[in-house]
Amino acid sequence: QSVLTQPPSVSGAPGQRVTISCTGSSSNIGAGFDVHWYQQLPGTAPKLLIYGNTNRPSGIPDRFSGSKSGTSASLAITGLQAEDEGDYYCQSYDSSLSGVVFGGGTKLTVL
Amino acid sequence: QVTLRESGPALVKPTQTLTLTCTFSGFSLSTSSMCVSWIRQPPGKALEWLARIDWDDDTYFSTFLETRLTISKDTSKNQVVLTMTNMDPVDTATYYCARMVTPPRGNFDYWGQGILVTVSS
Repeated sequence: QSVLTQPPSVSGAPGQRVTISCTGSSSNIGAGFDVHWYQQLPGTAPKLLIYGNTNRPSGIPDRFSGSKSGTSASLAITGLQAEDEGDYYCQSYDSSLSGVVFGGGTKLTVL
Repeated sequence: QVTLRESGPALVKPTQTLTLTCTFSGFSLSTSSMCVSWIRQPPGKALEWLARIDWDDDTYFSTFLETRLTISKDTSKNQVVLTMTNMDPVDTATYYCARMVTPPRGNFDYWGQGILVTVSS
């Protein structure tokens, strides 16, 4: 059972918009700790997608965006492409556990 | 260019101790606010943070595994070593090392390719 809760799966047709939620609690997201998002394509290591809730590293297209409110955060992907298919993870810090916590991951399927 | 690479055994027996090495380049672990973490991912499952070592030699561990883990660094060799004792089949996973800047709330901006470790007799 992951500390951060994500939907197991989401799907969308090419060109559509999908969102992935990440729900935490008062000891992590709700405490003001940043949320970061990673993309893991099949058979590869995770790759940083969004950092500090809303920021994109260099090279990440603006089709990917992040937001945070209260004890939750969201990742939005617009203009879905077949190459976006993979797993997405949120990450934050938990003060009760004194450590990094990840979400359970969301599998994105492009129909 | 920042790179990290994990090395170690692909197969360990139950009750044995696992030793993994992360060899990195493109940054120094003696630089303030720099750290390296180990993260694992069982087949088909989610990521799990294990341990972290900071530029100042401070170490931090997952509360669920802290009694089994040690982490150390050799700054001159640009290496971080993780040991996990009393391995069990449930510890079968891909183990990643990753860089974090501005711990503990920062992100992992660079990851190694990962090493699959299978625990089986």
